[in-house]
Amino acid sequence: SQELEQSPQSLIVQEGKNLTINCTSSKTLYGLYWYKQKYGEGLIFLMMLQKGGEEKSHEKITAKLDEKKQQSSLHITASQPSHAGIYLCGADSGGSNYKLTFGKGTLLTVNP
Amino acid sequence: NAGVTQTPKFQVLKTGQSMTLQCAQDMNHEYMSWYRQDPGMGLRLIHYSVGAGITDQGEVPNGYNVSRSTTEDFPLRLLSAAPSQTSVYFCASSGNSPLHFGNGTRLTVT
Repeated sequence: SQELEQSPQSLIVQEGKNLTINCTSSKTLYGLYWYKQKYGEGLIFLMMLQKGGEEKSHEKITAKLDEKKQQSSLHITASQPSHAGIYLCGADSGGSNYKLTFGKGTLLTVNP
Repeated sequence: NAGVTQTPKFQVLKTGQSMTLQCAQDMNHEYMSWYRQDPGMGLRLIHYSVGAGITDQGEVPNGYNVSRSTTEDFPLRLLSAAPSQTSVYFCASSGNSPLHFGNGTRLTVT
């Protein structure tokens, strides 16, 4: 079965700083999804990557999928308190976006 | 447009009691899934459905039953609750789109 390892497990940054969260898969990634979760709430979809070398951006968040399709990174530029939360990566096993395998998440704290 | 609605938001059960966690979506999504989220374990798939009348097991199905009689609803049943089922449960749905999650049900079994 596919396993996803996220690093770091937790991260505390000062507002305005850049940061990167990594997601490494034990198998080739067919689809890699990034979600954000605030405490007590559901997961909010951020971005999906499918092609090796693909890069997507939304506001100050950029996600990349490496060429070998076994690792993805999420980069936040000039972090804000609103970026705080748990970031989770999820992977599908090839065309099955309804049964994702998730990493354990990265808890991000942004201090003002 | 409500999206995915889960009820209740909180529930406390005693060991051995049964209950049903409700999940409804109004997006006409074909696929629906149930996950549980535990500290240090991340999200794990319990059961999923690829359409009305079709369900299958995920990674951690023991102790849970599901059915999908309509496209909109996908209830999760605990027949005899155990303390190991204390968790936060998320229902999700998708069509030709990424999974869309509900806000979760926080279940405590004492």
